Amino acid sequence: QLQLHESGPGRVRPSETLSLTCTVSGGSIRSSPYYWGWIRQPPGKGLEWIGSLYYTGATYYNPSLKNRVAMSVDTSNNQFSLKLPSVTAASTAVYYCARGDILGAFNIWGLGTMVTVSS
Amino acid sequence: QPVLTQPPSSSASPGESARLTCTLPSDFNVENYNIYWYQQKPGSPPRYLLFYFSDSDKGQEIGVPSRFSGSKDASANAGILLISGLQSEDEAEYYCMIWPNNTWVFGGGTKLTVL
Repeated sequence: QLQLHESGPGRVRPSETLSLTCTVSGGSIRSSPYYWGWIRQPPGKGLEWIGSLYYTGATYYNPSLKNRVAMSVDTSNNQFSLKLPSVTAASTAVYYCARGDILGAFNIWGLGTMVTVSS
Repeated sequence: QPVLTQPPSSSASPGESARLTCTLPSDFNVENYNIYWYQQKPGSPPRYLLFYFSDSDKGQEIGVPSRFSGSKDASANAGILLISGLQSEDEAEYYCMIWPNNTWVFGGGTKLTVL
């Protein structure tokens, strides 16, 4: 059974880069026609899609974050990553990684990792 | 990106039905989009429930009870999640989502209380 697990620092200082990794187990990150995404949820608030990528490296980002986000895939380790540079307190959130299916749904989610931006 | 509008809260009694709406902006015709629905309980990740495009093009995630169903109200330009035979375990936050042009957009969520 496919599982996703987010990992990274629980705290990042303002203006630094937030880096997270999602490890995929129970299946290959190269499986077609799936894609992989990052979604975040600030405390007490709703879901915000950050970006999606295919194992080929094609990426799609939320236009509101486009110049401040980068995603990459590491097929050898069955992982994909997120980098958010120049974070602010508004970046504080639970960050989820998820798998998307051909119909457009994120149907498998990791448990999420809380990241706090604070000095 | 479009803003999907969901009422912040809704409530109904056990055994009744709950109708949750997700309104698209006027420049995004609901008839052109799959509407996806997620359920989220406190401390847990969202759970994908289903998508609805039309009565002949819809899909339920494995394990999701048939009490959950989707539809559209074209006159309101809205997607609808109908939960029939409400149970206490249905109390949760519900999010809609659409997928326009290789971007994904979530609604603000509706907190459903089962009285």
